[in-house]
Amino acid sequence: DAKTTQPNSMESNEEEPVHLPCNHSTISGTDYIHWYRQLPSQGPEYVIHGLTSNVNNRMASLAIAEDRKSSTLILHRATLRDAAVYYCILRDPSTTGGFKTIFGAGTRLFVKA
Amino acid sequence: DTAVSQTPKYLVTQMGNDKSIKCEQNLGHDTMYWYKQDSKKFLKIMFSYNNKELIINETVPNRFSPKSPDKAHLNLHINSLELGDSAVYFCASSQDRYSYGYTFGSGTRLTVV
Repeated sequence: DAKTTQPNSMESNEEEPVHLPCNHSTISGTDYIHWYRQLPSQGPEYVIHGLTSNVNNRMASLAIAEDRKSSTLILHRATLRDAAVYYCILRDPSTTGGFKTIFGAGTRLFVKA
Repeated sequence: DTAVSQTPKYLVTQMGNDKSIKCEQNLGHDTMYWYKQDSKKFLKIMFSYNNKELIINETVPNRFSPKSPDKAHLNLHINSLELGDSAVYFCASSQDRYSYGYTFGSGTRLTVV
């Protein structure tokens, strides 16, 4: 799986939007961009994924740069329950068997009340 | 009902012992995985099974042996435990081997003393 770069940590106030960046300059044309998050003492949880167009779901939005070398996960209104480590991962869907080396350091999001 | 359940949640054992971790999913998924999260929080795949067939076997010591009696279960047996095996082990499942959305269990924290 291609490499991604994320800030180690970010801080947000409750009820405010949060923009979590991810750089993936070596992304290939067939790589999808995935975001997972891991709450304390839990397993990772799927958040969102996309290829080229921006995506929205009930949890978040994903904004993908036109050249696809970067993306941003947007939490529209951060809550205390959103405090977690957020992972940006690339994967070619034709790759069988699952994400391999994944879930690097990620971005630890702190949410202040 | 928990979608992906692992037992035990905590496991403390002495070096040299043999232990097993069990995983069950009730989602009807075809593919299951074992991941290891080390002290630096990097999550790496160990094994992947699709419909009871082993499809990924990363560079893992042969002291680790997965077993899938049916597609809803994937167990991990570890022989001759070593200090370096201490980690959190996560089981996950996905609809099929190409799926993007994984469901993870809550993890088994293994401590070898």
